[in-house]
Amino acid sequence: EVQLVESGGGLVQPGRSLRLSCAVSGFTFGDYAMHWVRQAPGKGLEWVSGISWNGGLIGYADSVKGRFTISRDNAKNSLYLQMNSLRHEDTALYYCGKDIAVTVTTGIDYWGQGALVSVSS
Amino acid sequence: QSALTQPASVSGSPGQSITISCTGTSSDVGSYNLVSWYQQHPGKAPKLMIYEASKRPSGVSNRFSGSKSGNTASLTISGLQAEDEADYYCCSYVGFSTGVFGGGTKLTVL
Repeated sequence: EVQLVESGGGLVQPGRSLRLSCAVSGFTFGDYAMHWVRQAPGKGLEWVSGISWNGGLIGYADSVKGRFTISRDNAKNSLYLQMNSLRHEDTALYYCGKDIAVTVTTGIDYWGQGALVSVSS
Repeated sequence: QSALTQPASVSGSPGQSITISCTGTSSDVGSYNLVSWYQQHPGKAPKLMIYEASKRPSGVSNRFSGSKSGNTASLTISGLQAEDEADYYCCSYVGFSTGVFGGGTKLTVL
């Protein structure tokens, strides 16, 4: 059974940092690209970042470029999102997702249940 | 990376067919066949319904179909059922390992 479990969310002050993790099981992690997608309370989905199977190709939404860093450790079956200089508008439920291919296609066939990040003073 | 354009809401009666459009530009939807569609019920994670514009993952009902023409992709649901009531999102690859979602469409089954 494929499982993606996010962790690391919480309440953080504006300007501070937070690191999300996504532990996966049930498939060969190193064979697929991965994504972070977020959803602000009551709002729609927003694509945040994607990373290819080996980390060689990475993309970010303009809204987080320069502040967020995606990475992966295939030996640990884990995906990460380092979030720096957090803003109120980063408050959202952050989903980890598995792509259908080795490179980013935005076809995300498995999703975690999300990690809630709240940015507030 | 401007969000793709979807109608805010659509509705239909059980048994009917509905179509949700997703309009982008020649830089996203028009340039790649990498358009996907997601269904999201309240409080749940999204579910992949269509990928690569028209392909259906295993386990997804054949009542769901996707197509693309120019800068616009479409999701059609035939034989509408009560459980189809949900939010639907399109997503397109836009190059350089980046993607963009549409604003979402709320489907109401009357």
